[in-house]
Amino acid sequence: DTEVTQTPKHLVMGMTNKKSLKCEQHMGHRAMYWYKQKAKKPPELMFVYSYEKLSINESVPSRFSPECPNSSLLNLHLHALQPEDSALYLCASSQATGRRHEQYFGPGTRLTVT
Amino acid sequence: AQSVSQHNHHVILSEAASLELGCNYSYGGTVNLFWYVQYPGQHLQLLLKYFSGDPLVKGIKGFEAEFIKSKFSFNLRKPSVQWSDTAEYFCAVYTGFQKLVFGTGTRLLVSP
Repeated sequence: DTEVTQTPKHLVMGMTNKKSLKCEQHMGHRAMYWYKQKAKKPPELMFVYSYEKLSINESVPSRFSPECPNSSLLNLHLHALQPEDSALYLCASSQATGRRHEQYFGPGTRLTVT
Repeated sequence: AQSVSQHNHHVILSEAASLELGCNYSYGGTVNLFWYVQYPGQHLQLLLKYFSGDPLVKGIKGFEAEFIKSKFSFNLRKPSVQWSDTAEYFCAVYTGFQKLVFGTGTRLLVSP
């Protein structure tokens, strides 16, 4: 199974809402990632979890709060977002160590903030 | 900091034309190299990857790429494009520390 799943596929939320994005993988990977992708742009790294611990935070605003409950799951909690946060949010996973680093991407959650 | 350059931002080709998309990176050490494709409205898909060994790698859908270490390049090629190849193509480089660095992307439009 080389699939990363993400739910929901689409999400519309108001600026005062609280919502969560979910990501799951069953490849035994111990590194998981959140990316943000705006239209016609490359993905931008937001967070990296390695062995369930946050290892990289790319100076993401606190209205985005990641959580890694276990080695297969990754959540992104959203609160008080701004319209400019509307984007495709991608989850990825990979081996945490090793010379060959390949990230497997999920289909993404398309978020619209109104 | 490591960077990845894709010099062709927009490419327009007719069906059956040959394709070459450039990718250059700035890092002198060992790299893992990737090409991803994103069809309109869809998610990222891995086209091909290079870790080591034969510098000419073949991927899905008839794509191939050549790693030229001396030129820090990993160009993507396809001998004959199809309308269905219309998409955004991203080159990406991994140099360590769990960060995959993406190029800015090349938008390919293939006219039937």
